[in-house]
Amino acid sequence: SQKIEQNSEALNIQEGKTATLTCNYTNYSPAYLQWYRQDPGRGPVFLLLIRENEKEKRKERLKVTFDTTLKQSLFHITASQPADSATYLCALSFSGTYKYIFGTGTRLKVLA
Amino acid sequence: DAGVIQSPRHEVTEMGQEVTLRCKPISGHDYLFWYRQTMMRGLELLIYFNNNVPIDDSGMPEDRFSAKMPNASFSTLKIQPSEPRDSAVYFCASSRLAGAQETQYFGPGTRLLVL
Repeated sequence: SQKIEQNSEALNIQEGKTATLTCNYTNYSPAYLQWYRQDPGRGPVFLLLIRENEKEKRKERLKVTFDTTLKQSLFHITASQPADSATYLCALSFSGTYKYIFGTGTRLKVLA
Repeated sequence: DAGVIQSPRHEVTEMGQEVTLRCKPISGHDYLFWYRQTMMRGLELLIYFNNNVPIDDSGMPEDRFSAKMPNASFSTLKIQPSEPRDSAVYFCASSRLAGAQETQYFGPGTRLLVL
């Protein structure tokens, strides 16, 4: 079965640095990959979507890369701020389905 | 828009009791999803509806779980009888159109604790 791996350990970085989060998957490459942000006590909020034929996607301070050879997506937050502290989830979807499979998320803490 | 609305926000019940979770999707959204989130398993899709019709319920863990969508603005997820292992946060999400590229909008979740 398809598996998604995100670093379960929290990532602590200093304010102003670039945070890089990893999403690895096994087996089949997804048609779409999404990244979500989740704050404590709240539902996930969509951030970015990248398609299998796209290498990179940017939105303001956010950047997502998608390497189907490595079966990996990287999520970058540049010039990180304490307000970026949250859990970040990656989610994969495959052709022919509307379902997304979510990773367990990585908790990011940006230190002031 | 108020976003996806879920109720109750918290539910504590005893094993064996019936639990009903409620969801109001964003107006105009044709797709509704029910998810369950735990620390160990992350966010898991239980079932999703298109235009009030259940499309895929393969994620529903057991017959104890059932979901309905009687109209475009209301859905329920019922657990009967509840068990301690059902303790989790249950999210409802909706999306406007079909397709994996569509954004899903999540509600605030219902935190369920079964004693």
